[in-house]
Amino acid sequence: SQTIHQWPATLVQPVGSPLSLECTVEGTSNPNLYWYRQAAGRGLQLLFYSVGIGQISSEVPQNLSASRPQDRQFILSSKKLLLSDSGFYLCAWSVYSGNTIYFGEGSWLTVV
Amino acid sequence: KQEVTQIPAALSVPEGENLVLNCSFTDSAIYNLQWFRQDPGKGLTSLLLIQSSQREQTSGRLNASLDKSSGRSTLYIAASQPGDSATYLCAVNDQAGTALIFGKGTTLSVSS
Repeated sequence: SQTIHQWPATLVQPVGSPLSLECTVEGTSNPNLYWYRQAAGRGLQLLFYSVGIGQISSEVPQNLSASRPQDRQFILSSKKLLLSDSGFYLCAWSVYSGNTIYFGEGSWLTVV
Repeated sequence: KQEVTQIPAALSVPEGENLVLNCSFTDSAIYNLQWFRQDPGKGLTSLLLIQSSQREQTSGRLNASLDKSSGRSTLYIAASQPGDSATYLCAVNDQAGTALIFGKGTTLSVSS
């Protein structure tokens, strides 16, 4: 069966520090991968999605970036965090676009 | 630009009641619609997926309907239980099939 792992689960980072959130999927090949952010009172916002290795699409301009170095690995990064980057970050995958989407357990980021 | 709205934002009911959660979307040209459940501080769990050509889907005590032409979906929960307490999110895939657009959710509390 397929599983999705996301880490770290929680982190507190100072403003201006770098960020790296990692996500891996097991049990499937060539999944579509997604990073979402859930900020208080704002719902889920799609940040990045990827349909294959090295193929990244960005939905919103920001100081975040994403990379997909391997088929089932998706990384969310920032060189310098802002206070507004605080939130709950969720990685997700689907077999193909438009199919059921499965989420990881999320990463709580607090920028102080 | 597609927008998804969920009403009510919060709902409290006694155990055993049947209830309906509402979701509306502004652009009827959707690929599919999904309902998710989110427990506090956790990731999302997919409940039901309705393709644009379908009218409803059922899973156990849950029934989701879709009226694509009017831009509406409902999630019906029969015989509610305290374990149903969670936030329920509605999301639509646009025609490109790459971006799930979420509502802000309805937070349900079922008291025993």
